[in-house]
Amino acid sequence: EPEVTQTPSHQVTQMGQEVILRCVPISNHLYFYWYRQILGQKVEFLVSFYNNEISEKSEIFDDQFSVERPDGSNFTLKIRSTKLEDSAMYFCASRRGLAQSTDTQYFGPGTRLTVL
Amino acid sequence: QKEVEQDPGPLSVPEGAIVSLNCTYSNSAFQYFMWYRQYSRKGPELLMYTYSSGNKEDGRFTAQVDKSSKYISLFIRDSQPSDSATYLCAMNTPGGSYIPTFGRGTSLIVHP
Repeated sequence: EPEVTQTPSHQVTQMGQEVILRCVPISNHLYFYWYRQILGQKVEFLVSFYNNEISEKSEIFDDQFSVERPDGSNFTLKIRSTKLEDSAMYFCASRRGLAQSTDTQYFGPGTRLTVL
Repeated sequence: QKEVEQDPGPLSVPEGAIVSLNCTYSNSAFQYFMWYRQYSRKGPELLMYTYSSGNKEDGRFTAQVDKSSKYISLFIRDSQPSDSATYLCAMNTPGGSYIPTFGRGTSLIVHP
């Protein structure tokens, strides 16, 4: 069964460093998402991406964040200058893009980001 | 008032028990309701998806939506140790961006 994959599974970085989190969405999906989950808290939406542009973003997704689909398979989240509070699990998700109510998102296993 | 409220637990039950997990919400525009299962340090996995009010059954799982009370439930029959996970409710509005609003999740422990 097709699945969303993410790399790395765990990333440790120093405060102020740039990190890039990578995702490979399901191949025939058209919509892509990033979420984060701080330990013990709920899953929070960051950004959605469709047709090579951001379609929606939350207030968390400030100028320190950017997303890119550099080729036909990868979808990346970049954090330019990491802060301690960026430590969280980051989930990528993708959706087929069907015009029907049962079209839902499929999540990857996540990247655990630890900022020291 | 938070949009989606969910008791974080943990909820500990013996194997074979019937489990009831619940969420309440405040936004009456929510029409789509989902339950995700999340194992430790893994991504959420969609379990059940319902539209509007009513019940939906899938194997040992039953999802129930009561829009008049703004209350949704997930029942697990004959619970197994492998059901031990965090269960997240999520919901969104029709015609929107398909971006769900999640609850905090309820941690379920099924002990043998």
